[in-house]
Amino acid sequence: NADVMQNPRHLVRRRGQEARLRCSPMKGHSHVYWYRQLPEEGLKFMVYLQKENIIDESGMPKERFSAEFPKEGPSILRIQQVVRGDSAAYFCASSPLGGSTDTQYFGPGTRLTVL
Amino acid sequence: TQLLEQSPQFLSIQEGENLTVYCNSSSVFSSLQWYRQEPGEGPVLLVTVVTGGEVKKLKRLTFQFGDARKDSSLHITAAQPGDTGLYLCAGETYAGNMLTFGGGTRLMVKP
Repeated sequence: NADVMQNPRHLVRRRGQEARLRCSPMKGHSHVYWYRQLPEEGLKFMVYLQKENIIDESGMPKERFSAEFPKEGPSILRIQQVVRGDSAAYFCASSPLGGSTDTQYFGPGTRLTVL
Repeated sequence: TQLLEQSPQFLSIQEGENLTVYCNSSSVFSSLQWYRQEPGEGPVLLVTVVTGGEVKKLKRLTFQFGDARKDSSLHITAAQPGDTGLYLCAGETYAGNMLTFGGGTRLMVKP
């Protein structure tokens, strides 16, 4: 899955700071998904985006979290005023078609640590 | 809310043994994917099953999708230490595009 790029791989922030996580999908993929994996838990869906559109954000916390996938450039997951509970691994995945049988390919993740 | 129950959560076996991991739900899925995740890395796709009753083989791994598309299993024959890792099942519904993940099975194969 090296073709789905995420950066940074590790991010350390103090409480109250902002965290910006980037995801570049596989070449030819226009559908991006963000998932969060808390320590010792499974992956939980956060948001699904296509270019310039948020399709489903039902898994995103209502406050402090936002996501975008601009026409040019990577998808960005932004967390404002981070708290310790935001410490987790954040994974993005991409797919070519976005259909209900479409396979999602995952990036290596960004591990966020909030001090 | 769709839930995927994965069992067992932990499995420690000797090299050469066989094992089966189960993934069950009360919901119907349009497709089900199995991933393997190494520490510090993202999930790596092993297989996608789409048709009810479908069986797919990947070397010593056999994946089955239940007839009713609510459950799946992963069977490993003659496990090797290299099979050690976290195995995740994930289902996708007809209604949405997000994956619902099971809690994972941590497999350790001892030499």
